[in-house]
Amino acid sequence: ETGVTQSPTHLIKTRGQQVTLRCSSQSGHNTVSWYQQALGQGPQFIFQYYREEENGRGNFPPRFSGLQFPNYSSELNVNALELDDSALYLCASSFKGGSSYNEQFFGPGTRLTVL
Amino acid sequence: AQRVTQPEKLLSVFKGAPVELKCNYSYSGSPELFWYVQYSRQRLQLLLRHISRESIKGFTADLNKGETSFHLKKPFAQEEDSAMYYCALSGGGSYIPTFGRGTSLIVHP
Repeated sequence: ETGVTQSPTHLIKTRGQQVTLRCSSQSGHNTVSWYQQALGQGPQFIFQYYREEENGRGNFPPRFSGLQFPNYSSELNVNALELDDSALYLCASSFKGGSSYNEQFFGPGTRLTVL
Repeated sequence: AQRVTQPEKLLSVFKGAPVELKCNYSYSGSPELFWYVQYSRQRLQLLLRHISRESIKGFTADLNKGETSFHLKKPFAQEEDSAMYYCALSGGGSYIPTFGRGTSLIVHP
């Protein structure tokens, strides 16, 4: 069983640029959630994808967008980068079936620095 | 709006001492509460959830709806308990957690 993987590990961009972060779900999982973790803070929910559709969104502007692919991997895209976007971006996958709780498994994160 | 407050940024204890990491929440409905842990150089992982009523690695947490708290406790801290601990809340059946800012627990030998 393969765990959640994320790429790249680190990334440096300049203000105004666009970035794409990638996440591969744990085997058997069909749901991916993305979180932003600023320094000294807890993870903050960005959005969740289930069966290739957005299934919930946190308080983030539209320049944060995502995709989920048929193999349940996912991308997080951020346009018009701002300095405050500098953070650790976490991906978490889970299996969603019915209304019961299913544990989220987190990836190692991508550290984004915006200069 | 739902909110999680962890008042202590850092908690430092000696091995064998009792530990209590505080968590208070704000939510108008029936919340589901979680504790997550991140050990050094490891991923964020679920430690326990209130509905399971389990003791994991000697840790327990009781949901107190009157005080809107979900404190994490362990009677005798071990050095391997040193980690970052996050309290989280979800509501409305979404299971999408709102995290607190975290408490760093350091257990000295």
